[in-house]
Amino acid sequence: EADIYQTPRYLVIGTGKKITLECSQTMGHDKMYWYQQDPGMELHLIHYSYGVNSTEKGDLSSESTVSRIRTEHFPLTLESARPSHTSQYLCASSDGPTSYGYTFGSGTRLTVV
Amino acid sequence: QQQVKQSPQSLIVQKGGIPIINCAYENTAFDYFPWYQQFPGKGPALLIAIRPDVSEKKEGRFTISFNKSAKQFSLHIMDSQPGDSATYFCAASEVWTSGSRLTFGEGTQLTVNP
Repeated sequence: EADIYQTPRYLVIGTGKKITLECSQTMGHDKMYWYQQDPGMELHLIHYSYGVNSTEKGDLSSESTVSRIRTEHFPLTLESARPSHTSQYLCASSDGPTSYGYTFGSGTRLTVV
Repeated sequence: QQQVKQSPQSLIVQKGGIPIINCAYENTAFDYFPWYQQFPGKGPALLIAIRPDVSEKKEGRFTISFNKSAKQFSLHIMDSQPGDSATYFCAASEVWTSGSRLTFGEGTQLTVNP
């Protein structure tokens, strides 16, 4: 049973649409992350948050935005989806100042047509 | 640039074999080196982790070997089983001002044949 939930699991959407990928965790973790996973497996950090009202961009440039209004919720938004946004998006959370143990959600597989 | 390099990209072994996955890093500020296991349709899950002042750590059939001077570490899976077939990621953790961040290797797709 997952303590971090991502919805939807799969999404096929047309170019130009606005989409929001949801991520919620029930563990009270202060740190949350969004990763983009290539078809070739590699994980790229695109956004992270160390607490409410704190968000930072990750290593991979992304046209998406995030918000952290509540501890448990970290949604990712694409204002205008493009085919290049087609990917798997993974949300994760962790706690503690030096935690290396991330809990990942099962991901959202996004296809933009 | 890729801060954690992982090899091989894919690996096929027979049941009972000992697959070995290798990783190398450059940043000496990394303070923990975890391994994650990912099954199809799931997110990665923490498998085992090691600190840089320890040369080896075992948890069940999984062993991490760490060579600090060479800046390399590896995962060994003893008596591998078909259920171990998954993608494995090494990672390195670095403490930042407000918390820590993980940098992942490129991943290794392991297949254990029955």
